Amino acid sequence: IAGITQAPTSQILAAGRRMTLRCTQDMRHNAMYWYRQDLGLGLRLIHYSNTAGTTGKGEVPDGYSVSRANTDDFPLTLASAVPSQTSVYFCASKGQGTGELFFGEGSRLTVL
Amino acid sequence: GENVEQHPSTLSVQEGDSAVIKCTYSDSASNYFPWYKQELGKGPQLIIDIRSNVGEKKDQRIAVTLNKTAKHFSLHITETQPEDSAVYFCAPNTSGTYKYIFGTGTRLKVLA
Repeated sequence: IAGITQAPTSQILAAGRRMTLRCTQDMRHNAMYWYRQDLGLGLRLIHYSNTAGTTGKGEVPDGYSVSRANTDDFPLTLASAVPSQTSVYFCASKGQGTGELFFGEGSRLTVL
Repeated sequence: GENVEQHPSTLSVQEGDSAVIKCTYSDSASNYFPWYKQELGKGPQLIIDIRSNVGEKKDQRIAVTLNKTAKHFSLHITETQPEDSAVYFCAPNTSGTYKYIFGTGTRLKVLA
């Protein structure tokens, strides 16, 4: 059972470049989320989607965009990366009627 | 959800001792109270949760207690072991809403 798959696991990026972090789930969960985690603490919600075709802004959405074309995929795009976006990014999903989030292994992004 | 704080931010205990982490929230509509554990290099994982119609729940060495009037709930770990060393997050939220906000995190170190 794969669960949540994130790619890439790690990436170094020059400032100003565009970057898309990929997230795929195979659990047919309705809700999906993107978080960033800095300094090993503090998960902050970037964007979320409660079902395919809809998205919402979290706590720190600026500089990021998402799309939810289907149930399984929820890519996160940085249109023009800046050093302050250096972080570990986690994708998560949640089934309908449950409260539990299932997380991927994270994508470590460094913007120079 | 809304404003969510955890205390303490770091906690060191001797192996075999108990550890308590407190989570305070501001949204009186919150009715679901989970705790997540994040081991080094991994995504967070649910370890225990409680709903607002229950005051306490136990699962072996871990327990969660809820005080809805005071808007806080706590994670209790008894007979701590080195493998309990991790970062712990609370994430109080309201069933049916999709904005899933995490607390500030507590780094627990169990000293052998």
